[in-house]
Amino acid sequence: KQEVTQIPAALSVPEGENLVLNCSFTDSAIYNLQWFRQDPGKGLTSLLLIQSSQREQTSGRLNASLDKSSGRSTLYIAASQPGDSATYLCAVGTTSYGKLTFGQGTILTVHP
Amino acid sequence: SQTIHQWPATLVQPVGSPLSLECTVEGTSNPNLYWYRQAAGRGLQLLFYSVGIGQISSEVPQNLSASRPQDRQFILSSKKLLLSDSGFYLCAWSGLAGGRETQYFGPGTRLLVL
Repeated sequence: KQEVTQIPAALSVPEGENLVLNCSFTDSAIYNLQWFRQDPGKGLTSLLLIQSSQREQTSGRLNASLDKSSGRSTLYIAASQPGDSATYLCAVGTTSYGKLTFGQGTILTVHP
Repeated sequence: SQTIHQWPATLVQPVGSPLSLECTVEGTSNPNLYWYRQAAGRGLQLLFYSVGIGQISSEVPQNLSASRPQDRQFILSSKKLLLSDSGFYLCAWSGLAGGRETQYFGPGTRLLVL
């Protein structure tokens, strides 16, 4: 059974810092990996999707890497802003049907 | 463009009452559809998924059921709610974005069972 763990559970940084969120998974036989953002009381917004054959994806200030053999992914956020404050969720897809297994999330607070 | 709707946004129900949450998707056809629950202090848990009309797969044994009467409609139901059914319920659909499959989530329904 796939298990996804995210570290740290919470992170508080001053504005402008670069930061890294970590995600690990137990079964390396994955289809893809996605990073989502969730604002309080809201649904999820997809940030980056990495296919199992890829090693990284970039979108603006966000960069996600994938090391399938070691069961790890990182989300790098450059020059953090208060608007980046949210919960960041890592999810692993194990089939082509799109079924995802989620981590518990990292609560990020960026203070001015 | 594609849009996903969920209603109601918030629901307070007594234990033992029935439940019906609805999710509809616009702007796409034959999507894969999913119901997730996010309980307080816990991660997102996949409850059901559907690859077509009338096709439902359950991921975990529970007090809930799902139905897909139309291509873009997904319903989550219960005959008798339990306290443990409280949580944030999210509907999602999956499709191709830039040639890669990704999931799109609705705004969610917050359910409180008292």
